[in-house]
Amino acid sequence: GQNIDQPTEMTATEGAIVQINCTYQTSGFNGLFWYQQHAGEAPTFLSYNVLDGLEEKGRFSSFLSRSKGYSYLLLKELQMKDSASYLCAVVDSNYQLIWGAGTKLIIKP
Amino acid sequence: DGGITQSPKYLFRKEGQNVTLSCEQNLNHDAMYWYRQDPGQGLRLIYYSQIVNDFQKGDIAEGYSVSREKKESFPLTVTSAQKNPTAFYLCASSNGERGAYEQYFGPGTRLTVT
Repeated sequence: GQNIDQPTEMTATEGAIVQINCTYQTSGFNGLFWYQQHAGEAPTFLSYNVLDGLEEKGRFSSFLSRSKGYSYLLLKELQMKDSASYLCAVVDSNYQLIWGAGTKLIIKP
Repeated sequence: DGGITQSPKYLFRKEGQNVTLSCEQNLNHDAMYWYRQDPGQGLRLIYYSQIVNDFQKGDIAEGYSVSREKKESFPLTVTSAQKNPTAFYLCASSNGERGAYEQYFGPGTRLTVT
C-alpha cells in the first residue's frame, strides 16, 4: 500500500528552528508538496520538490531525498503565527496525490 | 480577487437528510476536487473533475454525489447513504492534472449530522 508518515505533534520555542520530517512509500514518485493549515482553515501551499536537494523560500526550506523516500520542512526564526498543521503530500506514478495525516506544530513563547 | 468560496462555513443536519455543499471558483481552473478531513487523518479524496460535465470517483465516493455543469461550480451532495457524514469538507481547484499542480483550497464547510 501507499503510506506517508509524519510525526503527529511537535513543540518548539518562538525564535528557534524546527524540522518536520516526512517519509513515504508510494508507487512511483512525481513530486512532493508541503502545505500549511491553521486550525479550522484551508491548507495553503508552501513548497513543491521534485528533484533532490534543498529549496529555500524565506524562513521556510524544504528538502527531498528520493532515494531515501524522505523529505523535511525546516522552519527558521519561528513566530507564534507558525503554529499550525503541516501536511506532506506525495504525487505517485498515476499523478494521484497521497496525503499524510499532518504534523501539528505548537509554538511556545 | 480570485479564489474559491465554500458555503456555508458550518452546517447542521438531521440524520437521513441529504445536504448539498457549495463550491465556486473564479480562478479559471479546469480541475476541481472534494476532500474530507477527519481528526488525525490525511485528506481523503471524495470526487474530482478535470473538465465540465465529467467527474471521477475518488477513494471514498460512497454516499456522495457531485455535478459539474459549469466550470466555476462543483457542488457536493452528502446523501443519507453516507454512514458517517460528520466531517470537515474541503473543496480545491488546480490548473491542470490533479497531482501535478498546486491545489488552491476553499475555506471549508464543517458538517455536523445528528
